[in-house]
Amino acid sequence: EAQVTQNPRYLITVTGKKLTVTCSQNMNHEYMSWYRQDPGLGLRQIYYSMNVEVTDKGDVPEGYKVSRKEKRNFPLILESPSPNQTSLYFCASRPGGTYGYTFGSGTRLTVV
Amino acid sequence: AQSVTQLGSHVSVSEGALVLLRCNYSSSVPPYLFWYVQYPNQGLQLLLKYTSAATLVKGINGFEAEFKKSETSFHLTKPSAHMSDAAEYFCAVRKGIGGNMLTFGGGTRLMVKP
Repeated sequence: EAQVTQNPRYLITVTGKKLTVTCSQNMNHEYMSWYRQDPGLGLRQIYYSMNVEVTDKGDVPEGYKVSRKEKRNFPLILESPSPNQTSLYFCASRPGGTYGYTFGSGTRLTVV
Repeated sequence: AQSVTQLGSHVSVSEGALVLLRCNYSSSVPPYLFWYVQYPNQGLQLLLKYTSAATLVKGINGFEAEFKKSETSFHLTKPSAHMSDAAEYFCAVRKGIGGNMLTFGGGTRLMVKP
């Protein structure tokens, strides 16, 4: 089944403890992206990647890192999480051209 | 910079009534426009997209949207609401085929009354 897989689905962590949210797609898509969803703010793009080793900042990149060493994987790294990063995170991927993004099921992160 | 405005964070309709969810965009170049739906505790699912072909776009689940350049709008409609349509709907804009940034509106929660 074609899909974007994120792990974990739920995560509670403490301030300052480094964490990684994994994202993997099995559709050979070039583009991948991370979003965070907050009430009243919709979805905001954190980082995106156009292909292996090519990434760029979105609207809200502060406090996050990404890497794209393989085409299928696009992990999101929080080096020192803070409570304002408590949010629902989505990974998404798409092929080139006119296609829309396919989204993962989301990761609900709570930083205490 | 591109932006999307969805008028009405909450819309309530009766089952069988017309659904109209409003979306206005701004973009410095011809845009690609998308509508996504999010059911509770799920990710986003693509409903339909406009990519500079036909201005009236048909999507899944009986939804359609019309691109009106003069009004910079891309409103989503469905002739007859069903209880299963209750969800949150997001409009999004991308700067054409080469655009990497996908900008979302704030979302509209659709409630369907029996």
